[in-house]
Formats: sequence, structure tokens, C-alpha cells
Amino acid sequence: EAQVTQNPRYLITVTGKKLTVTCSQNMNHEYMSWYRQDPGLGLRQIYYSMNVEVTDKGDVPEGYKVSRKEKRNFPLILESPSPNQTSLYFCASRGSSYNEQFFGPGTRLTVL
Amino acid sequence: RKEVEQDPGPFNVPEGATVAFNCTYSNSASQSFFWYRQDCRKEPKLLMSVYSSGNEDGRFTAQLNRASQYISLLIRDSKLSDSATYLCAVTFTGNQFYFGTGTSLTVIP
Repeated sequence: EAQVTQNPRYLITVTGKKLTVTCSQNMNHEYMSWYRQDPGLGLRQIYYSMNVEVTDKGDVPEGYKVSRKEKRNFPLILESPSPNQTSLYFCASRGSSYNEQFFGPGTRLTVL
Repeated sequence: RKEVEQDPGPFNVPEGATVAFNCTYSNSASQSFFWYRQDCRKEPKLLMSVYSSGNEDGRFTAQLNRASQYISLLIRDSKLSDSATYLCAVTFTGNQFYFGTGTSLTVIP
């Protein structure tokens, strides 16, 4: 089944404790992206990657890092999480056409 | 100014009604436009792309007005199962995507 998977799905952590949210897709897509979704602010793009070892900042990259060492994986790293990073995070991927981004199921992160 | 503006609603409509959502975008160089559907606490799923000439998929019609920089989604004969949040999205590079905040629709029996 073609899909984007994210882990963990739910995470409660404390300020300053480094964490990684993994994202993996099995569709051989070149493009992958991370978003956060907050009430009243909608979906905002954090980082995207056009291919292996090619990443770029989206709209709200501060406080986040990413890496793309393999085509299928695009982890999101929070080196020192803060409470304002409490949010619902989605990973997405798409093929070479613009038409459809496939989203993962989301990771609900709470930083205390 | 936000890249994409969308009326958050909520829209509460009876079954069978026709409902329309609009979304305005600020960058005139925007190339591609989309409508996504998001059910509560779930991931967004592509409903339809929006083409310059307008396009239809069953009860759903999407239109683009480049001169006024807005896209619209029309839902005819609303079903209970149409209840969801509808997100518009635009991109001008194909890499950076901008989403609206979403419009909530509830179809009432």
C-alpha cells in the first residue's frame, strides 16, 4: 500500500530535550516536506526536500532541522524543543508532478 | 500579509444545499492551485487540483480567477459525508506550498 508513515504519532516531552520525528514514504517520491498545523494559522511549511541531500527552508524553519540521506526518509529534528513548538506535524511527499501531495497521519507533539 | 486567505466559516448547510468557498492568494506568480479536504484530526487529502479553465469532479467544481487572484470550490447537492474542513493551497515554485487556514463545513440532516 502506497503510504507516508510518521513516528511517533503522539509525543509529550519537556523543554530542551532533543527529539526526532521520523517520516518514511514507499512511493519513491523525490519531494518530501514537513508542515505544522496550528489553530487559526493553518498548515505552514517548515522544510522541504527536492531529493536526497537537497533541502530548503519553508515558511517557519526556526527551531527545526531536517536531513535527507535516503530518498524514502525525511526526519524532522528538534534540537531543543520549546512550548511554542507544541503542534500537529505532518509529513508529505509527492512525485515529479505538482498535483498531489500525500500526507502522513500526523504527529501530535506537546512540549511542556 | 498572508499568502493565502480563506474564510474559516463555519458553514452549516442542510443536506442538498449548494455551498461555495473562496480563497484569495497574494502572489500573482502562483502557478498551481489545489483544494484539500481534512477530516477531524486526520491528514489532508487532495480533493482536486484547480485548472485555469475550471474543472469539475462530480458534485465538486473548482474555478480559478487569475485577474482577481482567487480560487473557488462549489459543492452541489451537499451530503452529510461532505462535512469536513476544506483547505486551499497554492504554490509558485512547486516546492513551497502555502495553505489557507481552512473552511469548516457541517452538513445538517
